[in-house]
Amino acid sequence: DIVMTQSPDSLAVSLGERATINCKSSQSVLYSSNNKNYLAWYQQKPGQPPKLLIYWASTRESGVPDRFSGSGSGTDFTLTISSLQAEDVAVYYCQQYYSTPLFGPGTKVDIK
Amino acid sequence: EVQLVESGGGLVQPGGSLRLSCAASGFTFSSYSMNWVRQAPGKGLEWVSYISSSSSTIYYADSVKGRFTISRDNAKNSLYLQMNSLRAEDTAVYYCARDPTIFGVAHSFFDYWGQGTLVTVSS
Repeated sequence: DIVMTQSPDSLAVSLGERATINCKSSQSVLYSSNNKNYLAWYQQKPGQPPKLLIYWASTRESGVPDRFSGSGSGTDFTLTISSLQAEDVAVYYCQQYYSTPLFGPGTKVDIK
Repeated sequence: EVQLVESGGGLVQPGGSLRLSCAASGFTFSSYSMNWVRQAPGKGLEWVSYISSSSSTIYYADSVKGRFTISRDNAKNSLYLQMNSLRAEDTAVYYCARDPTIFGVAHSFFDYWGQGTLVTVSS
């Protein structure tokens, strides 16, 4: 079974600074037949359901600010918030859908 | 506007049963696969079950297989989760979540989520 890990567990970033979250899968989630990485990112604020940010590792969901970007391939992925805003305080989860859906443990982002 | 509204949560004793519902609106429900995803208090997200648009394909997480049953009624735009033999570790907020692939039969990401319904299993 695929195992998902995220790092760091939490981070505090100053307003306007860059936040970088890493996600690693124990097996590649790149499907060779279509060259797509089956990896998504979500944002969850307290008391709210998760919100889809990124899918296919780097495709931004409609309406998501362009300060959010996803990168990576195979087993190693990154979510970058280029200029942290106060409303970005949340827990961020990666999810693989190459096989049975599995989420990473989450990364909490706070303001420094 | 896509809306997913869960209901049916509550307090139940270990070994008991509960049926969750998810009312969908704002999209052609019968064209989309649906899922249940849960989140234990203060914990991360766990996918629970998947059902394709026509109910022809169903998947369960190992943790609920044999105890939970997913179903849908496309005429009523509703998704269900029948939960039997409940355990303390089933305590969680249960979300219904839409698979964005029209007539898909494989796992995917989730583009719309309901607000969730809390299930508490305790004596």
